[in-house]
Amino acid sequence: DIQMTQSPSSLSASVGDRVTITCRASQGIRNDLGWYQQKPGKAPKRLIYAASSLQSGVPSRFSGSGSGTEFTLTISSLQPEDFATYYCLQHNSYPPTWTFGQGTKVEIK
Amino acid sequence: EVQLVESGGGLVQPGRSLRLSCAASGFTFDDYAMHWVRQAPGKGLEWVSGISWNSGSIGYADSVKGRFTISRDNAKNSLYLQMNSLRAEDTALYYCAKEGLWGQGTLVTVSS
Repeated sequence: DIQMTQSPSSLSASVGDRVTITCRASQGIRNDLGWYQQKPGKAPKRLIYAASSLQSGVPSRFSGSGSGTEFTLTISSLQPEDFATYYCLQHNSYPPTWTFGQGTKVEIK
Repeated sequence: EVQLVESGGGLVQPGRSLRLSCAASGFTFDDYAMHWVRQAPGKGLEWVSGISWNSGSIGYADSVKGRFTISRDNAKNSLYLQMNSLRAEDTALYYCAKEGLWGQGTLVTVSS
């Protein structure tokens, strides 16, 4: 089974800061990775798919990069509405399985 | 409107069963694999089970294998999760999802 290791588990940052979150896969996963944002009491919302493609309607300050085993989500200039928990999600087609990272809680400094 | 709507959650005693349903609308349901994901109170996201578009391929998390059964009815645009032998640790908000689209979840509480 593929394991996804996400870091850090939490971070404190200020509005305007550049924030980077990393996910490492236990084996190569090509670009079968997405990034999700979850706010309290809400369902997760996809930000990035196929490792680096921006979901329609998502602000351009969010970007994803990487392939193979190491992936990064970057928020170029943190905004007040970005304080949330972020998850990476690796997906397989056959069998249809998903693996989440442990999550990164982004808090206000 | 493109959406997924879960139902069937509730309070159930340990060892009992529950069946969750998910109604899909606004997209071609049988084009997509579908999944169940859960989130225990205050915890992260845990994938539970997935099913291919034609039910030909199915996967389960080790934590539910042998107890939960996923199924779908493409004619009804519906996804199901049969949960048997429920345990306290199955208590969670259960989401129906496909890549890029999630429902709002249905809460399952397992307690005596």
